[in-house]
Amino acid sequence: GAGVSQSPRYKVAKRGQDVALRCDPISGHVSLFWYQQALGQGPEFLTYFQNEAQLDKSGLPSDRFFAERPEGSVSTLKIQRTQQEDSAVYLCASSLEYRTGNTIYFGEGSWLTVV
Amino acid sequence: DQQVKQNSPSLSVQEGRISILNCDYTNSMFDYFLWYKKYPAEGPTFLISISSIKDKNEDGRFTVFLNKSAKHLSLHIVPSQPGDSAVYFCAAEGGTSYGKLTFGQGTILTVHP
Repeated sequence: GAGVSQSPRYKVAKRGQDVALRCDPISGHVSLFWYQQALGQGPEFLTYFQNEAQLDKSGLPSDRFFAERPEGSVSTLKIQRTQQEDSAVYLCASSLEYRTGNTIYFGEGSWLTVV
Repeated sequence: DQQVKQNSPSLSVQEGRISILNCDYTNSMFDYFLWYKKYPAEGPTFLISISSIKDKNEDGRFTVFLNKSAKHLSLHIVPSQPGDSAVYFCAAEGGTSYGKLTFGQGTILTVHP
């Protein structure tokens, strides 16, 4: 597609439920990022993939968060046993190459509300 | 610790005038800076960027200035238009954060007709 596509756009989960958020990056983009944006804050880095390799997962807040990109294109962010503090917008982004200065394009985000 | 700060939560400007959005950073390893614009219920959209080897980059109505010694950058929008009303995020990358962005908290810009 023309841009980064994320699904679902909106998700309401009961506390303790597992959720999976999907990201389709721009075709041909090597780098894929997941960010978390809390209300009133800027996006915060969660994890980064170069093709299928997860090179940096330093931003994942706990071991309940897991991301994968098995074939180097589509990625899934999974949150197990969701808690209220997980409520946020989860943004996926991609860029053509892995180098400083490469424009990073964001999707519209998946809005997660944990009740 | 907040490595990238946007100290003004909001800014209100009259249409046709200049909008100046400011951003400060603390990490001297940052060497590339970007501005993103975000409308409600949408993802951030890339606006303009600047490398640390430059002190100015211009693209149409948008100009970004970088003052490395002060660890400060600003985005100038001239002339401002009502369609520019959005949240503007400053972001930085470089050093050990190579390939990932550190964002500021954002500034809400409102341009009045």
